[in-house]
Amino acid sequence: KAGVTQTPRYLIKTRGQQVTLSCSPISGHRSVSWYQQTPGQGLQFLFEYFSETQRNKGNFPGRFSGRQFSNSRSEMNVSTLELGDSALYLCASSTSRTGTGYTDTQYFGPGTRLTVL
Amino acid sequence: AQSVSQHNHHVILSEAASLELGCNYSYGGTVNLFWYVQYPGQHLQLLLKYFSGDPLVKGIKGFEAEFIKSKFSFNLRKPSVQWSDTAEYFCAVTRPFTGTASKLTFGTGTRLQVTL
Repeated sequence: KAGVTQTPRYLIKTRGQQVTLSCSPISGHRSVSWYQQTPGQGLQFLFEYFSETQRNKGNFPGRFSGRQFSNSRSEMNVSTLELGDSALYLCASSTSRTGTGYTDTQYFGPGTRLTVL
Repeated sequence: AQSVSQHNHHVILSEAASLELGCNYSYGGTVNLFWYVQYPGQHLQLLLKYFSGDPLVKGIKGFEAEFIKSKFSFNLRKPSVQWSDTAEYFCAVTRPFTGTASKLTFGTGTRLQVTL
């Protein structure tokens, strides 16, 4: 099976712009989660989508949003970029199940490295 | 605050030395535990996981970890490290059967440097 893919791999933007990152999960995986990785804050959970619905959300401002399509592919959007948004954005997919009672192993993509100038 | 702690931030070992990386979590109740590794320039990969059953779990590349519930710990071990084990290691936790079941909470990571 192909792994989690993320596009683009690298992105350079300026403050105030917006950006959209894309994630294609492993075939058959319906849950997609997004994480931000920075040297200062480490790996932090952004949100999770399952069956086109946001099922869980971390402590990030509303400038960070996402969506999931019927084929489980997911996009993440950051509006009004700030210098502090420079980070590696990781997508992870898992099989999961309906409801909140069960979670399976998350498999990560290579990430999109976003640099905000 | 509930969290995951990795006490060793940077570890330097010679090849063939034994490795133990500490991981402690502060959640009560049922947890799922993971160790992920990030090799230089590569993406996060799963080393091993614990969901239930035998608290001693074996993973890829000769790694193992032991879940000690009474100590809220999930330490990673390898009897003899290789130069190719140089990487950053992350401990992570999920809390099944809660409203945040899908959220992986990571430790700050341990950078392992193996010298020849």
